[in-house]
Amino acid sequence: DTGVSQDPRHKITKRGQNVTFRCDPISEHNRLYWYRQTLGQGPEFLTYFQNEAQLEKSRLLSDRFSAERPKGSFSTLEIQRTEQGDSAMYLCASSLAPRKSGYTFGSGTRLTVV
Amino acid sequence: DQQVKQNSPSLSVQEGRISILNCDYTNSMFDYFLWYKKYPAEGPTFLISISSIKDKNEDGRFTVFLNKSAKHLSLHIVPSQPGDSAVYFCAARGSGYALNFGKGTSLLVTP
Repeated sequence: DTGVSQDPRHKITKRGQNVTFRCDPISEHNRLYWYRQTLGQGPEFLTYFQNEAQLEKSRLLSDRFSAERPKGSFSTLEIQRTEQGDSAMYLCASSLAPRKSGYTFGSGTRLTVV
Repeated sequence: DQQVKQNSPSLSVQEGRISILNCDYTNSMFDYFLWYKKYPAEGPTFLISISSIKDKNEDGRFTVFLNKSAKHLSLHIVPSQPGDSAVYFCAARGSGYALNFGKGTSLLVTP
């Protein structure tokens, strides 16, 4: 069990470019979550997968954002046509049974849009 | 609309004393509450949780108290240690899968 792994740790991109982040959850965890955290705020929910099915999406997830978990293992989060307001820490988490314990977060990908 | 509020951005406590971190929520449908601890450059780490059917849960030095009528919960750390210095987030879950987080309280434990 190596924990939740996120790649890259940091990403600097120019406004208007597309970016993609990857998350590798704990191997036996079938539930995967994406959150976004901006300075001075707590993490904000973006989306949730159970296996490969995307079961819940926040209204924060605009049409420029898309997330996938094609084989129920790793997940990707893509942001198209990035804007400066997308600058944030993007956190991935995974769990087995969300109602019995907290889930395990990765260290995040820090995105800076210039 | 912030449904989970941590009104104290920071707290400083001496080593060995009790740290009390507070959290208020507005949504009466929340039925599960959690505390996370976060160090710089790391993701949040789960600390302790409590179901809405309980009013107290204890794990070592950490105790969470829930007052449903007041929609208030608190995290007590006794005794506080310098390694406890971190940002603490309160989170709550309702019927969905999302956790609603507060803005966090930065705890500093001084020797």
